[in-house]
Amino acid sequence: GQQVMQIPQYQHVQEGEDFTTYCNSSTTLSNIQWYKQRPGGHPVFLIQLVKSGEVKKQKRLTFQFGEAKKNSSLHITATQTTDVGTYFCAGYTGRRALTFGSGTRLQVQP
Amino acid sequence: GAVVSQHPSRVICKSGTSVKIECRSLDFQATTMFWYRQFPKQSLMLMATSNEGSKATYEQGVEKDKFLINHASLTLSTLTVTSAHPEDSSFYICSAKDVSGGHYEQYFGPGTRLTVT
Repeated sequence: GQQVMQIPQYQHVQEGEDFTTYCNSSTTLSNIQWYKQRPGGHPVFLIQLVKSGEVKKQKRLTFQFGEAKKNSSLHITATQTTDVGTYFCAGYTGRRALTFGSGTRLQVQP
Repeated sequence: GAVVSQHPSRVICKSGTSVKIECRSLDFQATTMFWYRQFPKQSLMLMATSNEGSKATYEQGVEKDKFLINHASLTLSTLTVTSAHPEDSSFYICSAKDVSGGHYEQYFGPGTRLTVT
């Protein structure tokens, strides 16, 4: 079945440093979504990318969708303590339910 | 944005008992809802897709007789964990997609933390 892996599993950064998480799917995705889950909370939708090579920005967050639509990345510039949480990518492969990536847990040291 | 609620938020039960978790879409109708399970420090794993008025579709490895799903209305789906055991302790999260108006994102409930003693 489809697998969606993310690296790294965990990253600890100093506040102000940049952070990137990479998402790789074993199959082509029709689109990719990114979610953030704070400790003890539930996933919250951040963004969806649909087009091959698409790049979207939300303030300090930059999202990219690979040309082959099998990988994606999330880059955070100048991290803040409010960025702490686990970031998941998730994609559809024609099924109606999302398949979630393994997640990257971000810890930001003030 | 759309709101999905879950009840209860936390439940502790004894081994062998059954627990029902409710998932409601508060301001939209959801013909399809999804049930996920998340163990500590792991990703969300889809358990089943709940379809209004029909049987749920279970993922491979999920026992349909143990995890009973009922989707009796367009705003309510329930998950019943029958004869719960300690290994069923987990964070159960439902989600629903609001397909009206061209929306595409899934809205997640706040989750239910189940502890089986």
